Amino acid sequence: AQKITQTQPGMFVQEKEAVTLDCTYDTSDPSYGLFWYKQPSSGEMIFLIYQGSYDQQNATEGRYSLNFQKARKSANLVISASQLGDSAMYFCAMREPNTGNQFYFGTGTSLTVIP
Amino acid sequence: DSGVTQTPKHLITATGQRVTLRCSPRSGDLSVYWYQQSLDQGLQFLIQYYNGEERAKGNILERFSAQQFPDLHSELNLSSLELGDSALYFCASSVDGGRITDTQYFGPGTRLTVL
Repeated sequence: AQKITQTQPGMFVQEKEAVTLDCTYDTSDPSYGLFWYKQPSSGEMIFLIYQGSYDQQNATEGRYSLNFQKARKSANLVISASQLGDSAMYFCAMREPNTGNQFYFGTGTSLTVIP
Repeated sequence: DSGVTQTPKHLITATGQRVTLRCSPRSGDLSVYWYQQSLDQGLQFLIQYYNGEERAKGNILERFSAQQFPDLHSELNLSSLELGDSALYFCASSVDGGRITDTQYFGPGTRLTVL
């Protein structure tokens, strides 16, 4: 089974609107970390936000927030007030102690912000 | 700027050749991870080193090898190159104190083109 599933290969959003990028994960470990990365067309991978499995509140970093639903094993990224510079690939990732704290990445979602 | 450096940024070579990619982790990070990102296979984990020792192995071909030196920089050696090895190769570093909160920070990548 895939550790991380991103079911949206491509998404479009109007500038200034909010958008949610889906991510579901699979683990039997009670302790794990969830991460989102952004990869613009220039290629670099940029760390955006982190959520720990024991965190009581959803993580937020500026316009990024993580909608963490533990029972559903989902960790969706919400980008508010989209900007043209948000157009990029977005990857969800997880690390869990069970597998030696390895990182598992999803296949990514391509987001295009429309002016 | 993540603090992780990779050289060279671009590399063009011929089939059958050997190349070396270099990575310097962020100050204080003990772990170095290597990833291959190709168009059809997404982000593939190759290998991890922690403080000079190999810690985990992913989908790394026998033609590929890596090492981490006492100053913690790492090199990925790719030999007998094939057309299919053309990809973006990332190095990432992490503190890796065994905590799930330890984030991976990526370098800018080396784009390898095999002709």
